[in-house]
Amino acid sequence: NAGVTQTPKFQVLKTGQSMTLQCAQDMNHEYMSWYRQDPGMGLRLIHYSVGAGITDQGEVPNGYNVSRSTTEDFPLRLLSAAPSQTSVYFCASSYRTTSTDTQYFGPGTRLTVL
Amino acid sequence: AQSVAQPEDQVNVAEGNPLTVKCTYSVSGNPYLFWYVQYPNRGLQFLLKYITGDNLVKGSYGFEAEFNKSQTSFHLKKPSALVSDSALYFCAVRDLQRDAGNMLTFGGGTRLMVKP
Repeated sequence: NAGVTQTPKFQVLKTGQSMTLQCAQDMNHEYMSWYRQDPGMGLRLIHYSVGAGITDQGEVPNGYNVSRSTTEDFPLRLLSAAPSQTSVYFCASSYRTTSTDTQYFGPGTRLTVL
Repeated sequence: AQSVAQPEDQVNVAEGNPLTVKCTYSVSGNPYLFWYVQYPNRGLQFLLKYITGDNLVKGSYGFEAEFNKSQTSFHLKKPSALVSDSALYFCAVRDLQRDAGNMLTFGGGTRLMVKP
């Protein structure tokens, strides 16, 4: 299994540009989520999905859209990038949505918005 | 609202010495607690978790953590540090009272530096 994969690894955008961060998992996990990591703030949840066709907002959803058309993929879209979205983005997944399940993280995408 | 505090931005330890990385939490119900480690330019790797039962939890790479309900703490420990343990460590909590999927609330992270 490849686990959780993310592309690209690095990206530089100009303010106002749009892009999609890709996330895929091959473990047949129901639950997938997106976090952003900022220095001294740990990871904050952006959006999550409990299964194909179902998504919901996390702590910091503004400026981001998601969709979950398949179990494997959970892309994160930035419609109009802003410098405040400069961050490292992590995708995570777990087998079920129960509280005890361990979440597995991808390697991250480092995004810079100029 | 639930929260996690890691009071130390950085912990310095000599190789071979015991290490402790501190974590305290605040939740409205019973907590599920996790420790993750992040090596440079890598994603987070799961170390261990406390769900219920024995307060001392053993995890990967020789790490363990002690759950203390009265002190609302979940400190990460290792009896003998290795230089390769140098990394960024995150404590996280899942609050059973919150209906937000499998949401984890993370602490700000503690950088562990183990010197030879």
